[in-house]
Amino acid sequence: ETGVTQSPTHLIKTRGQQVTLRCSSQSGHNTVSWYQQALGQGPQFIFQYYREEENGRGNFPPRFSGLQFPNYSSELNVNALELDDSALYLCASSPRQGMNTEAFFGQGTRLTVV
Amino acid sequence: SQQGEEDPQALSIQEGENATMNCSYKTSINNLQWYRQNSGRGLVHLILIRSNEREKHSGRLRVTLDTSKKSSSLLITASRAADTASYFCATDGGYSTLTFGKGTMLLVSP
Repeated sequence: ETGVTQSPTHLIKTRGQQVTLRCSSQSGHNTVSWYQQALGQGPQFIFQYYREEENGRGNFPPRFSGLQFPNYSSELNVNALELDDSALYLCASSPRQGMNTEAFFGQGTRLTVV
Repeated sequence: SQQGEEDPQALSIQEGENATMNCSYKTSINNLQWYRQNSGRGLVHLILIRSNEREKHSGRLRVTLDTSKKSSSLLITASRAADTASYFCATDGGYSTLTFGKGTMLLVSP
């Protein structure tokens, strides 16, 4: 078990709604990244936050947005949900932004859009 | 987009046998990492190999990296039923942003 916690664990939303997912990073970690994992696929990088600033973004539309707070916890917000947004959303924290550090993943939030 | 591609997509072996998974990637990297995922839950970090390293060991795990071929392999020796999981390689081009492959599903039968 890592020290990264995500909430909620499961969520069902209706197409067009908005959702907020939360992540508490491991103590001492100032970098948080979010990933989307569709069924049968590998995780896809959404974006990363470092010291409360977005620092890198994958190929996701602007309706995917995020925040990082002074305690380094983070939120992922998705507006105007689409059926294809159904996936496991993973949060990962790292001890510092930089090279050659492993990422510590939470257990994920499984989002189902109906 | 997926950077790494694992091979095979699925692997079924008996306990005690060795399991080898391969990963290929496309762009330059700072390091390559292997992760395990059980039943669609969170990812567990297994091993990190830097771009200037060729081989690394951790317990029953052995990872190799060939940057000239842009490939890596993960060897699990003396597999156990508890090793049943999906295994992913992930490349880090810098700043701890990871690009994952589609994974290899490993089934170890007692």
